[in-house]
Amino acid sequence: GDSVTQMEGPVTLSEEAFLTINCTYTATGYPSLFWYVQYPGEGLQLLLKATKADDKGSNKGFEATYRKETTSFHLEKGSVQVSDSAVYFCALSSSGGSYIPTFGRGTSLIVHP
Amino acid sequence: NAGVMQNPRHLVRRRGQEARLRCSPMKGHSHVYWYRQLPEEGLKFMVYLQKENIIDESGMPKERFSAEFPKEGPSILRIQQVVRGDSAAYFCASRPSGTGGTDTQYFGPGTRLTVL
Repeated sequence: GDSVTQMEGPVTLSEEAFLTINCTYTATGYPSLFWYVQYPGEGLQLLLKATKADDKGSNKGFEATYRKETTSFHLEKGSVQVSDSAVYFCALSSSGGSYIPTFGRGTSLIVHP
Repeated sequence: NAGVMQNPRHLVRRRGQEARLRCSPMKGHSHVYWYRQLPEEGLKFMVYLQKENIIDESGMPKERFSAEFPKEGPSILRIQQVVRGDSAAYFCASRPSGTGGTDTQYFGPGTRLTVL
């Protein structure tokens, strides 16, 4: 079945540091890939998505590229801020049918001033 | 366009009571999903509904849990005879039908259920 593996957290960075959160997946077919962000006490918000190989999703300075050859969708940001502190979830949604996504376990990011 | 609404945001129940969680999808969305999130864990799919139909309930426990999405009104997740292990955050998500962006789900703020 489909699965998503994320690097374990927490990831602790100083403000303005470079961020990478690794995400790899296994899936049949050609899934869409997502990054969601969850701030404390809130629901998940879509951060970015990519629907086919080599697509790059980007939003709020975050980027991720759909790499089919390495089955990866790593999240990056060049300069993090304290306000980026949150839990980040990688997810995939297989094509066709119910669009029920498979989520990774989440990676907590803590950014210190 | 209002987002996905869930209520209550916090719910406290004693063991053996019933919990009813409500979800109003975004306007124009006819697909609703329920998820459960335990502390320090990711989201686990529970059930997928369209108006008046349960499409996939493979993630929902066979006993005590039920869900509906009536023609009018919000979707309801019902937990009967709650136990302490039911304490979790329950999230609802919705998505539109049709082409273009149909695989993107929009999440509500969640209901945090505490069972005493």
